[in-house]
Amino acid sequence: QKEVEQNSGPLSVPEGAIASLNCTYSDRVSQSFFWYRQYSGKSPELIMSIYSNGDKEDGRFTAQLNKASQYVSLLIRDSQPSDSATYLCAVNEAGTALIFGKGTTLSVSS
Amino acid sequence: EAQVTQNPRYLITVTGKKLTVTCSQNMNHEYMSWYRQDPGLGLRQIYYSMNVEVTDKGDVPEGYKVSRKEKRNFPLILESPSPNQTSLYFCASSLGEGPIPGELFFGEGSRLTVL
Repeated sequence: QKEVEQNSGPLSVPEGAIASLNCTYSDRVSQSFFWYRQYSGKSPELIMSIYSNGDKEDGRFTAQLNKASQYVSLLIRDSQPSDSATYLCAVNEAGTALIFGKGTTLSVSS
Repeated sequence: EAQVTQNPRYLITVTGKKLTVTCSQNMNHEYMSWYRQDPGLGLRQIYYSMNVEVTDKGDVPEGYKVSRKEKRNFPLILESPSPNQTSLYFCASSLGEGPIPGELFFGEGSRLTVL
């Protein structure tokens, strides 16, 4: 069973700080990695996708991938209270499914 | 507007009463999938469909059926619901190009309670 591991949190940061969310995965052949944001009672919403080693930036969000270490992270700069949500890491498994971690709950205090 | 539409959004039913949760997407996506989300267990895949010809089980298929008669629709069928199927259900779709399934787009979710 392929696994995606995340710290459940809660991760608490003050407004304006950098929030760092981490994820490890077990399947060495995984090629596609995603970060989703889920507000309470809502559906997951795609934030970032990353396919190659290194960093990918989109606005305040930066995804980092290290396939050798089987590690993917999400940095949120200038965190806002509206960023308070659960962040789900997802990894493509064998071309049939996205395997999701259980999520990290982020709380940004104003 | 591009979207994945699920119905019903909320349902309370009783053990053994067959029900269907519909899912429809208007993005011409090849790949569709059903997930259930439970506290402490996260999102788990029930069934997926690569296209109208290929449908297969995910991690937790017991007690569920699906069909993919046309590209846009992928209903989830509970033939004889039981209380352990009380959950939040999400339908999702993906274009199906590149590394499948690629970026998934989720419906709004269907909260099912089985008494």
